[in-house]
Amino acid sequence: EPEVTQTPSHQVTQMGQEVILRCVPISNHLYFYWYRQILGQKVEFLVSFYNNEISEKSEIFDDQFSVERPDGSNFTLKIRSTKLEDSAMYFCASSAPGRDTDTQYFGPGTRLTVL
Amino acid sequence: DQQVKQNSPSLSVQEGRISILNCDYTNSMFDYFLWYKKYPAEGPTFLISISSIKDKNEDGRFTVFLNKSAKHLSLHIVPSQPGDSAVYFCAASGGGYQKVTFGTGTKLQVIP
Repeated sequence: EPEVTQTPSHQVTQMGQEVILRCVPISNHLYFYWYRQILGQKVEFLVSFYNNEISEKSEIFDDQFSVERPDGSNFTLKIRSTKLEDSAMYFCASSAPGRDTDTQYFGPGTRLTVL
Repeated sequence: DQQVKQNSPSLSVQEGRISILNCDYTNSMFDYFLWYKKYPAEGPTFLISISSIKDKNEDGRFTVFLNKSAKHLSLHIVPSQPGDSAVYFCAASGGGYQKVTFGTGTKLQVIP
């Protein structure tokens, strides 16, 4: 069964450093998303992406964040200058075109630890 | 911002019995509702969904009920199995490719 994959599974970085989290969505999906879950809190929406542009973003997704689909398979989230409060699980998701667009399928997540 | 609420943080059920997980929402614009199952250190796994035009959707042991007038939905698992032990998230969206808003989750423990 096709699935969303994410790399790395765990990323440790120093405050102020740039990180890039990578995702490979399900191959025929056209809509892509990033969510995050800070320990003990809810899963929160960050950004959605379609047709090579951002469709919607939350207030969390400030100028320090960016997303990119550099090729036909990868979808990345970049945090330009990490802060301690960026420590969280980051989940990539994708959804199919057409009738199944409503259902988002999630990857296993990347645990980001900012020291 | 508590647009999707799961008021029971945990639930314990005996194997073979029914598990009922509840969820309430406040946003009338939500058009599509989903349940996800999550194990520690893994991503949410899609379980079952329901559109606002329906009041019930069934998939094997899992049934989701939607009461739009009460802004309430529930997930029934019958019979419950030990492998069902996980955190269950209720989620909602405006439909299409709109963002999904998650509840806080209910930790289900199925006791053998």
